[in-house]
Amino acid sequence: AQTVTQSQPEMSVQEAETVTLSCTYDTSESNYYLFWYKQPPSRQMILVIRQEAYKQQNATENRFSVNFQKAAKSFSLKISDSQLGDTAMYFCAFMKLLRGGGNKLTFGTGTQLKVEL
Amino acid sequence: EAQVTQNPRYLITVTGKKLTVTCSQNMNHEYMSWYRQDPGLGLRQIYYSMNVEVTDKGDVPEGYKVSRKEKRNFPLILESPSPNQTSLYFCASRLEGGWGEQYFGPGTRLTVT
Repeated sequence: AQTVTQSQPEMSVQEAETVTLSCTYDTSESNYYLFWYKQPPSRQMILVIRQEAYKQQNATENRFSVNFQKAAKSFSLKISDSQLGDTAMYFCAFMKLLRGGGNKLTFGTGTQLKVEL
Repeated sequence: EAQVTQNPRYLITVTGKKLTVTCSQNMNHEYMSWYRQDPGLGLRQIYYSMNVEVTDKGDVPEGYKVSRKEKRNFPLILESPSPNQTSLYFCASRLEGGWGEQYFGPGTRLTVT
């Protein structure tokens, strides 16, 4: 079974600074996807960024980028120029294909990020 | 607007009183699933459905039932709710096949006393 570990339950960062959230995972799969989701106080789950395992190039979406280290099974999220609106719970997630079709999304336990003035 | 809707958004009930949380999507997605979110545990999958009349257990199915009679709807049924089912519940949908984005509903906060 896949496991996703987020070892930082809480983090804080000053506005305009850069912060990195860590995520590691355990799998024997060779093909999979990795995601970071953001959950603001509204509780809505918002996709921030995704990475395909077979792509070596790290994904980037505006101020959000990942450092994907496949051999180390590490998938960290870097937020540059942090903004107050980035305050949220961030979940790392792993998706694999299921035998017989479909796929399964496994989430980490989350990192609560607070951006401070 | 493409969306996943859930109702109710908040529910307080008592132990043993059957309840249903509805989920509907307007994107013609084949794949739908239910998750529960608990502090310190992240989101865990309860049940999923790959198409009409095709459902399967996720990681924490005990105490829950689902049905998929129509493509757009995927209700979550708690036949006899217990306090340990107090949680935040999310429905999600995506296109079957490939690695497309999963769309989440707004969440349902359930409290069982």
